[in-house]
Amino acid sequence: DAGVIQSPRHEVTEMGQEVTLRCKPISGHNSLFWYRQTMMRGLELLIYFNNNVPIDDSGMPEDRFSAKMPNASFSTLKIQPSEPRDSAVYFCASSLRGVRLYGYTFGSGTRLTVV
Amino acid sequence: QQQVKQSPQSLIVQKGGISIINCAYENTAFDYFPWYQQFPGKGPALLIAIRPDVSEKKEGRFTISFNKSAKQFSLHIMDSQPGDSATYFCAASATGNQFYFGTGTSLTVIP
Repeated sequence: DAGVIQSPRHEVTEMGQEVTLRCKPISGHNSLFWYRQTMMRGLELLIYFNNNVPIDDSGMPEDRFSAKMPNASFSTLKIQPSEPRDSAVYFCASSLRGVRLYGYTFGSGTRLTVV
Repeated sequence: QQQVKQSPQSLIVQKGGISIINCAYENTAFDYFPWYQQFPGKGPALLIAIRPDVSEKKEGRFTISFNKSAKQFSLHIMDSQPGDSATYFCAASATGNQFYFGTGTSLTVIP
């Protein structure tokens, strides 16, 4: 099992550019979560999907952020246009819905720097 | 608003000492309380978890203490080692799967 795979690991972009972060959840997991981690705010839930359907996107900061999950094995988080305050580490996590015993499995994250 | 409040923000402990991290919550619907450990450059990983029907759970040097009436729970790391240096997150969940995380505690164990 390769775990949750995120790409890229690091992204440096200029303000105003579009950024797309990618995530491949663990096969068989039916819940997927996008988190943002900063020193000031810790881990913030941005959005989560159950069975590819967005359930709660109330954590998405503003309309510049969008997320999709076109199938069970792939999700994207897009920021357009990006701003310096979006600089953070973005984590994707997956889990088997209804089975909290094993918790979430997190990817290694994408460190985004917007200059 | 923060569903789970965690303290301290950072902690420095001598090797062999006890590290204690505290968390508090308000939502009485929470019924599952995991702790996650995160090393630099890695995602958080599940360390240990407890349900409110027990007051304590121990796995090796890691112990969760749970006080249901006070709505508090804590992580104790006995005989702390330099390899335990990491960021620790408490979390809480009600039925429905979503976890609410604390803001994290950066633990440094000095040799």
